[in-house]
Amino acid sequence: DAKTTQPNSMESNEEEPVHLPCNHSTISGTDYIHWYRQLPSQGPEYVIHGLTSNVNNRMASLAIAEDRKSSTLILHRATLRDAAVYYCILRDVNEKLTFGTGTRLTIIP
Amino acid sequence: DAMVIQNPRYQVTQFGKPVTLSCSQTLNHNVMYWYQQKSSQAPKLLFHYYDKDFNNEADTPDNFQSRRPNTSFCFLDIRSPGLGDAAMYLCATSRGQGTEAFFGQGTRLTVV
Repeated sequence: DAKTTQPNSMESNEEEPVHLPCNHSTISGTDYIHWYRQLPSQGPEYVIHGLTSNVNNRMASLAIAEDRKSSTLILHRATLRDAAVYYCILRDVNEKLTFGTGTRLTIIP
Repeated sequence: DAMVIQNPRYQVTQFGKPVTLSCSQTLNHNVMYWYQQKSSQAPKLLFHYYDKDFNNEADTPDNFQSRRPNTSFCFLDIRSPGLGDAAMYLCATSRGQGTEAFFGQGTRLTVV
């Protein structure tokens, strides 16, 4: 299974942009890059996903490296409600969705 | 409105007594997943279905079984729960083809 590597934790100031990195050097050509976040005592919540091109939605942007071996989730203006564990996941052709260890994001007021 | 519904939210079972957790979805999605999440850990994939095709993870204990009688419902059966099986159990669904997954709120299982 392709694996992802993320920093264990990050901090950011409120109302500033946040860049959450993810390395996935063993990604295959058919793997989708997914990001989810999980707040305490809740199920994971979908944030964004992409295959090759950069993606934007109302929650975030996803920047994918040209060789696809890394990606960055961008929260444009962090709020206190964005404090969560963020998971970068590779979804394979068999629809397998395996979580890595994630990044715990702390927002400083 | 909740689209992936897990019942119950909290379940207490006795050591060694079989227990079944349920998951239903209103999305008509092809793919359904079961995860186990222990405190301060990431969710661990136990198995997933693509329609009726069952995919068991190699390290999922034999104590854990699953049934998917139709598109809408999926069950997790723990045949003989041990203290180490106490965890949050998460169900998720997806339309497939790389699209996003939707998670339920989970069932927190306590084994006494």
